[in-house]
Amino acid sequence: NAGVIQTPRHKVTGKGQEATLWCEPISGHSAVFWYRQTIVQGLEFLTYFRNQAPIDDSGMPKERFSAQMPNQSHSTLKIQSTQPQDSAVYLCASSPQENQDTQYFGPGTRLLVL
Amino acid sequence: SQWGEENLQALSIQEGEDVTMNCSYKTYTTVVHWYRQDSGRGPALIILIRSNEREKRSGRLRATLDTSSQSSSLSITAAQCEDTAVYFCATGNYKYVFGAGTRLKVIA
Repeated sequence: NAGVIQTPRHKVTGKGQEATLWCEPISGHSAVFWYRQTIVQGLEFLTYFRNQAPIDDSGMPKERFSAQMPNQSHSTLKIQSTQPQDSAVYLCASSPQENQDTQYFGPGTRLLVL
Repeated sequence: SQWGEENLQALSIQEGEDVTMNCSYKTYTTVVHWYRQDSGRGPALIILIRSNEREKRSGRLRATLDTSSQSSSLSITAAQCEDTAVYFCATGNYKYVFGAGTRLKVIA
């Protein structure tokens, strides 16, 4: 079991560019979550999919951020027109159907917007 | 904030000592998760405790939950250098709300 896989591990973008972050959940897990981690705000929930359907995106900034889960094996988080304040570690987690309140986190993608 | 503690706490202890980290929360929850995060890695679940449990043990770890005071604690017995990490508590069944965390350093 490779755990949750996130790529890339590090990404540097210029202000105004687009960034796409990838997540591969643990095989067989039915839910995928995205969080953002910064020194100032700590860990914050962004969005959540269950069986590929978007369930709760209440933590997503209303502009520029979007997430998709086109199939059960991967999810993407896209940030358009990146800004320096988007710099953070973006964490993906997944949870199994039989234990839905336990989340397993990936290593994160460290995004730096210059 | 969901949690009473607003800032990352820092603790430094000697190897072999016991340590307890506390969290208080503001809204009802049926479960508290404790995670540790090593530098450059994602959080890893180390123990969770449900509202019908007052205490939970796993190896050298002990978690408590007091629903009346809305607080939880994580204790590590005989801490070792490899316990050095940031420890977070989190509530919620899917939309986790994380506490600010405790940065624990265990010195040999």
